[in-house]
Amino acid sequence: NAGVTQTPKFQVLKTGQSMTLQCAQDMNHEYMSWYRQDPGMGLRLIHYSVGAGITDQGEVPNGYNVSRSTTEDFPLRLLSAAPSQTSVYFCASSPPGSYNSPLHFGNGTRLTVT
Amino acid sequence: AQSVTQLDSQVPVFEEAPVELRCNYSSSVSVYLFWYVQYPNQGLQLLLKYLSGSTLVKGINGFEAEFNKSQTSFHLRKPSVHISDTAEYFCAVRRATSGTYKYIFGTGTRLKVLA
Repeated sequence: NAGVTQTPKFQVLKTGQSMTLQCAQDMNHEYMSWYRQDPGMGLRLIHYSVGAGITDQGEVPNGYNVSRSTTEDFPLRLLSAAPSQTSVYFCASSPPGSYNSPLHFGNGTRLTVT
Repeated sequence: AQSVTQLDSQVPVFEEAPVELRCNYSSSVSVYLFWYVQYPNQGLQLLLKYLSGSTLVKGINGFEAEFNKSQTSFHLRKPSVHISDTAEYFCAVRRATSGTYKYIFGTGTRLKVLA
């Protein structure tokens, strides 16, 4: 029962560096999404995807790119890291036809940008 | 657009006492409502959800919530808390329409259960 797997768990970047946060799910979920969690601000949606080849922006997409080439994987790319991107990032997914189904979350990636 | 308000950022309560975590939402359309719990260094887990039907919803770990449409509230309650309930709790809404997937989360309430 892997569920939603995120790697790495921790990452430290210097300003201007790029990196990719990985997210994989083995539940055949169509919907996948990325959130960032900041103190006092709850979870904010960065990008989401409703299936392979389909992505869209959430509330806070600037500075991030996504792609969805397979059902299983939904990587999040930071193009040029900034200190404002220091946060905890969560990937979440939902089953097909899932307008009333809850999200399944990964355990998060804690990113620090210095 | 939908929004969720959790007015209490922190709630301290003694073990075995009752607790209520408040959630209010605003929406011009019908919504589904959820409560999630986040234990330290973990992702969020579903506690309970309201989709339709009975306004009193029971979830895991003895939690329940009541949907009040007139007050646009979905408060979470537990009659007797345990130390292990110490966690952060998030209320979330989603439009009750097929083909829509976006969740809106509140800012969270940190429940601290004291011995």
